[in-house]
Amino acid sequence: EIVLTQSPGTLSLSPGERATLSCRASQTISSTYLAWYQQKPGQAPRLLIYAASTRATGIPDRFSGSGSGTDFTLTISRLEPEDFAVYYCQHFGNSPTFGPGTKVDIK
Amino acid sequence: QVQLVQSAAEVKKPGASVKVSCEASGYPFISYGISWVRQAPGQGLEWMGWISGYHGNTQYAKRLQGRVTMTTDTSTSTAYLELRGLRSDDTAVYYCGRYESGLVDFWGQGTLVTVSS
Repeated sequence: EIVLTQSPGTLSLSPGERATLSCRASQTISSTYLAWYQQKPGQAPRLLIYAASTRATGIPDRFSGSGSGTDFTLTISRLEPEDFAVYYCQHFGNSPTFGPGTKVDIK
Repeated sequence: QVQLVQSAAEVKKPGASVKVSCEASGYPFISYGISWVRQAPGQGLEWMGWISGYHGNTQYAKRLQGRVTMTTDTSTSTAYLELRGLRSDDTAVYYCGRYESGLVDFWGQGTLVTVSS
């Protein structure tokens, strides 16, 4: 089973700053099967990125994804107040699994 | 618009079973699957499995096999999650979501299941 590790656990930033979130897989995975979700307190997750770098419908272009092999990155170019949330990566191969999440909070 | 509406919160005793429903609208139900994901209080997301809206084929997370059953009723566009032998660590918010090729693109509002004696 593929295990996903996310870092850092918490990222404290100010609005307008750039956020860089990491997701590492325990073995090489196809970028086709890597997604990112955003979750705010008390809400269901929201799909942000799939196939490692494709934004889902309605997702602003300040969100971008990259990576391949075992290392993947979600970048938020300039944090807006509504972007402070928890972000999960997901591998959706044969046995889907989520990473433990990175919390982006206000510095 | 796509909507997934889940049943109300439940409180169950250890050893009991719970059945959560998820009514879909705004898209052809049989063209997509339904996935179930749960989240224990203060914890991350756990994928539980999915069911095809067309065939009814299922795939369950290995750690839940034997305790979980997912079903659908295509006449009402409703999916169901049944979890048996409840334990305290099954206390969580249970989410359903529209599932295609591994992705969940629309989510229900969540159903809190509390297991307590």
